[in-house]
Formats: sequence, structure tokens, C-alpha cells
Amino acid sequence: NAGVTQTPKFQVLKTGQSMTLQCAQDMNHNSMYWYRQDPGMGLRLIYYSASEGTTDKGEVPNGYNVSRLNKREFSLRLESAAPSQTSVYFCASSDRSQGTYGYTFGSGTRLTVV
Amino acid sequence: GNSVTQMEGPVTLSEEAFLTINCTYTATGYPSLFWYVQYPGEGLQLLLKATKADDKGSNKGFEATYRKETTSFHLEKGSVQVSDSAVYFCALSMNSGGSNYKLTFGKGTLLTVNP
Repeated sequence: NAGVTQTPKFQVLKTGQSMTLQCAQDMNHNSMYWYRQDPGMGLRLIYYSASEGTTDKGEVPNGYNVSRLNKREFSLRLESAAPSQTSVYFCASSDRSQGTYGYTFGSGTRLTVV
Repeated sequence: GNSVTQMEGPVTLSEEAFLTINCTYTATGYPSLFWYVQYPGEGLQLLLKATKADDKGSNKGFEATYRKETTSFHLEKGSVQVSDSAVYFCALSMNSGGSNYKLTFGKGTLLTVNP
């Protein structure tokens, strides 16, 4: 099925460990996004990539890095995980020529940092 | 900056009750407006959208009308079902430079429908 695929679905890290969340889309979308979802906070934008080769900070970028590997893939890296990064992470994509059509979301990665 | 404010939940209704979830927005310019739904354990799915003033978005019995004069996009359904139990997010999309669009979300409203 076409869409946005995120891996892994679940992850437990110890404080200070690093990991990379993977995201891939097969809809030929130009723009990709990483959000985190926390109770009572809604979704907050971490980083986004308007097109292949570009990345920009969102609302809450501290503690994260991203790589737009190619048009399909956009990864999120935690270099030194902290308990405050316990959250559900969502990747999304959109076609910038269809900005009025909203985004397609992945099913999320549930990350716990202990 | 742009922002979305939606009514805080949780909202608990009986099956076949009428649903309203209020959403208002602040934006410079003319945003597109969306409602997303998140079922337990899943990602967000687009429920409906409206791209200009007075447009009505509708899907699966849900409706919302883009009201520019009141900067609102309230979600309504005439008769809710147990299967509508989910978290609902109001969102707006604005051009953030070039041809890029970014979504700004409200905090979400948890709806529980009891049989």
C-alpha cells in the first residue's frame, strides 16, 4: 500500500544512547516532516524538509538531527537520548504543489527513554 | 505566528448523540483548514478539509464550515457511533516560504462514545 512507512514501531533506550528513526514515502512527495506527540501538547514540529537536499528546524529541534537521504527517505537521529524525549514520533509527507491537501502520516514510533 | 485552539476534552457522548468540537484559528493570510482523526494506536488520518471561506468539508457524516468572519472551523456530526471514538485534531496549513506548506495543529480532543 502506498504511504509513509516508519521504523521501528517501538523502541526503549537508555539515557545517553543514540538511535535513528527511519521514514520512507512512496508517493513522490517533495516535503517531509517529523513531529512528536505528547499528552496535552498536540503535535509539535521537530524538523522538516521542503525538498530533497534541504532541511529546516521546526518548533522543537533541540536534541535532534535529521537527514534527507533522497526524495523518499527522511531520518531523525537522537544523538544522546534523554527521558524528555520519551514520546510518539510521527513522520509525514506532502506534495508542495498540493499544500491545500494536507499531509499523509506514518503510523508512528513509540519511544521510551529510561 | 499561526495557531489553532480547539476545545479541551475529553468529550464523552452516548451513541446517536450530536457532536460539536469547536476550533478557532489565528493566521496571517488565508489558511487551508483541516480536521484529522487519530484512532487508538494509529497515526493521523485526514478526515476533511476546506480551502477557502464558506467552504464546507464533509466525510463519514462529519462536517465543518470555514468561517472567515469568526475564524472558526467547528467539527459536527449529527449522530455519533462507538466507532467514532478517537482523538480529533484541528489544523491549518499556510505557505511558509517558496512553495512549502506547514501544518499547525491544535492540541487534540479525545472523544469517547458509549453504547
